[in-house]
Amino acid sequence: GENVEQHPSTLSVQEGDSAVIKCTYSDSASNYFPWYKQELGKGPQLIIDIRSNVGEKKDQRIAVTLNKTAKHFSLHITETQPEDSAVYFCAASRTKAAGNKLTFGGGTRVLVKP
Amino acid sequence: SAVISQKPSRDICQRGTSLTIQCQVDSQVTMMFWYRQQPGQSLTLIATANQGSEATYESGFVIDKFPISRPNLTFSTLTVSNMSPEDSSIYLCSVAGPTESNYGYTFGSGTRLTVV
Repeated sequence: GENVEQHPSTLSVQEGDSAVIKCTYSDSASNYFPWYKQELGKGPQLIIDIRSNVGEKKDQRIAVTLNKTAKHFSLHITETQPEDSAVYFCAASRTKAAGNKLTFGGGTRVLVKP
Repeated sequence: SAVISQKPSRDICQRGTSLTIQCQVDSQVTMMFWYRQQPGQSLTLIATANQGSEATYESGFVIDKFPISRPNLTFSTLTVSNMSPEDSSIYLCSVAGPTESNYGYTFGSGTRLTVV
């Protein structure tokens, strides 16, 4: 089955700096890669996703890059703000619409220091 | 995206008892999923709830311990049976969108269960 590894497990950045979280996956058939943000006491919220036919996707201060050859993808947050402090999870699955299960990385706890 | 209501939001239960968690979606969805998130950990899929058929369980999870119902396309329940302190976790309901072009996987706010 799929295995997703996520690094680092914790990340502390100064407000205004950039944060980068990296994930690798094992199943070459995976083609959908979402990122989730989980704040304390809440369920995970989808913040951005990318499909395997795209190498990069950006949404305001958040971007995701995908390297299918190397089987890794990354989340980039620019101009970090205190409200970006949360736990971030990457995930991978074969297809979104078919309802194939998501396999999650171990999570990254991000702390943005004011 | 779909809106998911999950109840209860939290509970404290005695060991040996059972708790049923409800998940209501504001639109019809083909697949619903139940996850467990142990304290400080990532999300682990328990099972996929299929409408009109038995749930599909992941390795390490069994129907006797986590029975699931899916009576229609907008509702599912997960029961945690014969609870022990090791079952203390957050249980999350999730749905997948019906098409490639929308939704993604959406999660409920979770049920925080403490077993004493």
